[in-house]
Amino acid sequence: KAGVTQTPRYLIKTRGQQVTLSCSPISGHRSVSWYQQTPGQGLQFLFEYFSETQRNKGNFPGRFSGRQFSNSRSEMNVSTLELGDSALYLCASSLGHSGETQYFGPGTRLLVL
Amino acid sequence: QKEVEQNSGPLSVPEGAIASLNCTYSDRVSQSFFWYRQYSGKSPELIMSIYSNGDKEDGRFTAQLNKASQYVSLLIRDSQPSDSATYLCAVVMNRDDKIIFGKGTRLHILP
Repeated sequence: KAGVTQTPRYLIKTRGQQVTLSCSPISGHRSVSWYQQTPGQGLQFLFEYFSETQRNKGNFPGRFSGRQFSNSRSEMNVSTLELGDSALYLCASSLGHSGETQYFGPGTRLLVL
Repeated sequence: QKEVEQNSGPLSVPEGAIASLNCTYSDRVSQSFFWYRQYSGKSPELIMSIYSNGDKEDGRFTAQLNKASQYVSLLIRDSQPSDSATYLCAVVMNRDDKIIFGKGTRLHILP
């Protein structure tokens, strides 16, 4: 079974731009969660989608948004990028809700200049 | 108190010895606990999940859970250089089902 895939793997943007990241979960998995990982803050939860509905949300500003499609693929959007948004963005999929084992994708490394 | 706390390390352990990684959490009624390993530049990969008090063994890895003390640990027996990585403790918060990760402990196995 193919694992979680994320595109693009690397991205360079400038302040003020917006970016969209994509995540395809493991086949059959219905839950997708997004995380931001930085050296200082560690792995921080952004949001979780289950069956096209946002089920949970972390403490990030409204510039961070996401959605999930009927095939469980998910996208995350960050508008008006700031330097502090530079990070590794990871998505993780699970069969059901977030209490179950999550499997991580390789991540998208975003650099904001 | 932080929701999930880990010693950042680095924890240096000689090859062949037992590495002990610790994690405490704040939500007294949490039910699901996970240990992930993350190599530098890679994404986290699941090592163990544990849901009941006591020990759970899988090969060289043993997870230990003590809900009364709000403490979960990971033991790595016969440590190998390939075990050198950052180990992340994750706890599902009962109040909202969010998974909260600790900041991780860097483990260095000395050859």
